[in-house]
Amino acid sequence: DQQVKQNSPSLSVQEGRISILNCDYTNSMFDYFLWYKKYPAEGPTFLISISSIKDKNEDGRFTVFLNKSAKHLSLHIVPSQPGDSAVYFCAASIAGGTSYGKLTFGQGTILTVHP
Amino acid sequence: GAGVSQSPSNKVTEKGKDVELRCDPISGHTALYWYRQSLGQGLEFLIYFQGNSAPDKSGLPSDRFSAERTGGSVSTLTIQRTQQEDSAVYLCASSLSEQYFGPGTRLTVT
Repeated sequence: DQQVKQNSPSLSVQEGRISILNCDYTNSMFDYFLWYKKYPAEGPTFLISISSIKDKNEDGRFTVFLNKSAKHLSLHIVPSQPGDSAVYFCAASIAGGTSYGKLTFGQGTILTVHP
Repeated sequence: GAGVSQSPSNKVTEKGKDVELRCDPISGHTALYWYRQSLGQGLEFLIYFQGNSAPDKSGLPSDRFSAERTGGSVSTLTIQRTQQEDSAVYLCASSLSEQYFGPGTRLTVT
């Protein structure tokens, strides 16, 4: 049972445009959501997170949106840069108001930003 | 170093052999996690240590897998009698809040 799903295996975007990565979850107990970025042969790197009490969190070029009723979150990257090309993982946890807890990951989306 | 380190970076072993994978977390981080990523899959939770509490072993796929964390710092993941389906990248993370990942150990069972 895949509790966190990233239905798009890949996404290709032109430099300077917006990249939108999507993620759906099924477990309504999840209360903390994160996005990680991964380059080949490296571990995932934390990008941005959002608590279930919010519907938007912004950090520079990265914004995460959470729609709890739809059990959907998305990551927007504006403007996209070639260095953003990587695999992006959505993750969720039952953290009880903190950010602790084991993470349940999606399968990842390969983002390619073309110059 | 400042980050999470793991050793070895690569391990090739024969089916049926035991392997030990090591994780050195970021100093002061109270929580330590093990995940694995099989080919074409997302990261799968294995086990979680938080301070002096009993570890959450709910993600371990079989009793051939075990892990320990000595002195609240270094952790070792042991896989006994390895099988070909154990081949994956094993990732360790530590945290005070957000989880910081090491580079992983790529395990290949032949």
